[in-house]
Amino acid sequence: AQTVTQSQPEMSVQEAETVTLSCTYDTSESDYYLFWYKQPPSRQMILVIRQEAYKQQNATENRFSVNFQKAAKSFSLKISDSQLGDAAMYFCAYRSGNAGGTSYGKLTFGQGTILTVHP
Amino acid sequence: ETGVTQTPRHLVMGMTNKKSLKCEQHLGHNAMYWYKQSAKKPLELMFVYNFKEQTENNSVPSRFSPECPNSSHLFLHLHTLQPEDSALYLCASSQSGRPYNEQFFGPGTRLTVL
Repeated sequence: AQTVTQSQPEMSVQEAETVTLSCTYDTSESDYYLFWYKQPPSRQMILVIRQEAYKQQNATENRFSVNFQKAAKSFSLKISDSQLGDAAMYFCAYRSGNAGGTSYGKLTFGQGTILTVHP
Repeated sequence: ETGVTQTPRHLVMGMTNKKSLKCEQHLGHNAMYWYKQSAKKPLELMFVYNFKEQTENNSVPSRFSPECPNSSHLFLHLHTLQPEDSALYLCASSQSGRPYNEQFFGPGTRLTVL
């Protein structure tokens, strides 16, 4: 079974600075997808960024980028120029790409990291 | 209404009550999900429906009973719950068939079992 680990329960950053959230995962599959979701205090979870395991290039979405290290099974999220609105719980998630497997389509989440942004 | 909506947003119930949570998606998706979010725990997938058919039951106790009458609506019927079932229950939807597809989440129902 796949597992996702976020080792930082809480992180903080000054506004306009850069912060990196860590995520590691364990899988024996070669085809999979990784996601970062953001859950603000209002509770509606939204997708921040996603990465296909077969792509070597790191995904980027505006101020959000990932450092995907497939061999190390690491998928960290970097937030540049942090804003007050970035304060939220961030979840790393894994999804199998193995069609027909028992976990196909299922999202496995990490424990989450609470990010605080200081003005 | 847009996206994924859930009602009620907050629910307090006794252990002998029967209640239902409702989820509706306005995105034209064909897969819907129930997740349980407890404090200091990862989100736990409970049920998955694809084209109204249940495709995953993640060893959920029978006191939770899902119902998916069509691809847009998902219910979670609750009965004889325990205090440890208190949590945030999240509904999500996606277009099935491609694991790359994003899951869209509702705002959740905060459930308290007394």
